[in-house]
Amino acid sequence: EAGVTQFPSHSVIEKGQTVTLRCDPISGHDNLYWYRRVMGKEIKFLLHFVKESKQDESGMPNNRFLAERTGGTYSTLKVQPAELEDSGVYFCASSPSGRKETQYFGPGTRLLVL
Amino acid sequence: AQSVTQLDSQVPVFEEAPVELRCNYSSSVSVYLFWYVQYPNQGLQLLLKYLSGSTLVKGINGFEAEFNKSQTSFHLRKPSVHISDTAEYFCAGSSQGGSEKLVFGKGTKLTVNP
Repeated sequence: EAGVTQFPSHSVIEKGQTVTLRCDPISGHDNLYWYRRVMGKEIKFLLHFVKESKQDESGMPNNRFLAERTGGTYSTLKVQPAELEDSGVYFCASSPSGRKETQYFGPGTRLLVL
Repeated sequence: AQSVTQLDSQVPVFEEAPVELRCNYSSSVSVYLFWYVQYPNQGLQLLLKYLSGSTLVKGINGFEAEFNKSQTSFHLRKPSVHISDTAEYFCAGSSQGGSEKLVFGKGTKLTVNP
């Protein structure tokens, strides 16, 4: 069984540009989560999808961040326009509907905004 | 609100020595507790989890943790570490019900020296 995959693995952009991160969850997992680790800080929750619906987006930092999960499969997280403080590692995780307490993480996307 | 505290940011040990990585949590509701490990240049991997039942939880790679409700702790232990255990370890918790988003500690960098 393939694990959670994320693309790209690294991204370097300039302030003001747009970046889109993609996450493919484990097949059949209805729950999809986005987390972020800013350098020197703890990993923080951003939002949670159940299928294509946003269940909890309380961790989204501001309206420059837009997450979608069309069709309930893969998800994208777009940052527009990117700011310096958006640099960090963005993790995606997924879990099945019957056991959502156990989340499986992807390798992360390392974003650097210059 | 739930919080997770990892008391040590860095722990250096010699190979074959025992190690304990400390984690305390605070919550007024039932919690699930987890330890994740991140090896260099890799994603987060689940080491072990406590959901309910036996308070001593065994995980992969010889690690174990004990849930202590009276002390609100979930310390991670290994009786004899290897060079390959060098990694960053994250304690996390989630509250039962709702999105079950994870709340992470700041991480502990374990360095195993020869």
